[in-house]
Amino acid sequence: KNQVEQSPQSLIILEGKNCTLQCNYTVSPFSNLRWYKQDTGRGPVSLTIMTFSENTKSNGRYTATLDADTKQSSLHITASQLSDSASYICVVSANTGGFKTIFGAGTRLFVKA
Amino acid sequence: DADVTQTPRNRITKTGKRIMLECSQTKGHDRMYWYRQDPGLGLRLIYYSFDVKDINKGEISDGYSVSRQAQAKFSLSLESAIPNQTALYFCATGRGGTDTQYFGPGTRLTVL
Repeated sequence: KNQVEQSPQSLIILEGKNCTLQCNYTVSPFSNLRWYKQDTGRGPVSLTIMTFSENTKSNGRYTATLDADTKQSSLHITASQLSDSASYICVVSANTGGFKTIFGAGTRLFVKA
Repeated sequence: DADVTQTPRNRITKTGKRIMLECSQTKGHDRMYWYRQDPGLGLRLIYYSFDVKDINKGEISDGYSVSRQAQAKFSLSLESAIPNQTALYFCATGRGGTDTQYFGPGTRLTVL
């Protein structure tokens, strides 16, 4: 069964600290993996996208890594800001004839002053 | 102006009522999607359309129907709303290829 599991479910950190969010998936055959940021009351916004051959992708203070062998990805946030408080969603797409995209449940990040 | 808009933003209705949620986009994308989001769960795909003449069921299409009136418009209908359809509904658009999706602001639907 195609699944995307994220950990932790929620996380509280102090402003200025770094954090790492995890994503494990069983989606196959793998096509690409994306991280989205979802602010409360808004739709998700894409942060990064990685295909099979990419190990890392950065977008400002956000750096995503991908290990396609172990089917794991992480999102590292550097020097967190209050505006980073949001849900972070891992999304994995399968390379099938149809459309197959699985969303993780997300990690809820709270950044405190 | 927002690239992907949804109307209404909030709706409270009663069991058995017919409800239509509308989505419009100015991004010029061919692909449009409807998702629902429930607390503690990932977004789940209801329906998707790769062009005006193409409509496909997602993983949770029962109880829903859609209409792709034009490239820019994709509406979702609940023919007879029930309480477990209470959720946050998102419309999204995308291109082919890596298919990054662009989401609307969401519609919060409550069925009493």
